[in-house]
Amino acid sequence: GQSLEQPSEVTAVEGAIVQINCTYQTSGFYGLSWYQQHDGGAPTFLSYNALDGLEETGRFSSFLSRSDSYGYLLLQELQMKDSASYFCAVRDRSNTGKLIFGQGTTLQVKP
Amino acid sequence: EAGVAQSPRYKIIEKRQSVAFWCNPISGHATLYWYQQILGQGPKLLIQFQNNGVVDDSQLPKDRFSAERLKGVDSTLKIQPAKLEDSAVYLCASSFVTSGRQEQFFGPGTRLTVL
Repeated sequence: GQSLEQPSEVTAVEGAIVQINCTYQTSGFYGLSWYQQHDGGAPTFLSYNALDGLEETGRFSSFLSRSDSYGYLLLQELQMKDSASYFCAVRDRSNTGKLIFGQGTTLQVKP
Repeated sequence: EAGVAQSPRYKIIEKRQSVAFWCNPISGHATLYWYQQILGQGPKLLIQFQNNGVVDDSQLPKDRFSAERLKGVDSTLKIQPAKLEDSAVYLCASSFVTSGRQEQFFGPGTRLTVL
């Protein structure tokens, strides 16, 4: 089976950099995704790592290390609007390739 | 491009009643997903359709939940009878293909409260 662990809450100040970690136990997967969800809103796709290393998209970067069963989402130049929940998810190696989500990390950005 | 549409946005029912949710995916998206998201948790996949065929329903409580996707477009998810523990947000998502980035586009969800 698959399981993912994330910190439940992270707090940071506006303008700072924050890293949200995701560790996983899995029998194999295609890649690691990150989704953002504002309170009461729909999850929205942020990034996807199919290979080890760093993927950068604007202020957001995501990292994957399969040897360490570990990934993280890095948010730079934090803004108040970044306050949201962030979910890591693995794409299962089954025929369906379904996504399995972690429990989510609530990020609170303070002024 | 229009996003994933869902209705209703909110529903309150009593236990043992029935309820149905509707989803219209993004045009051209062959894959449609229904997720259950309990407060404070990540989305959990209930069922996945490829066109109008089911490819994964391993976590769907089949004694009370059912879903269909007629003509490979719209989909409905039904709960009959509802239990208190079914209180959650039901999210519908769609994707163009089941490979690559696996980017899924989510609808706004239906918040179900079972009393």
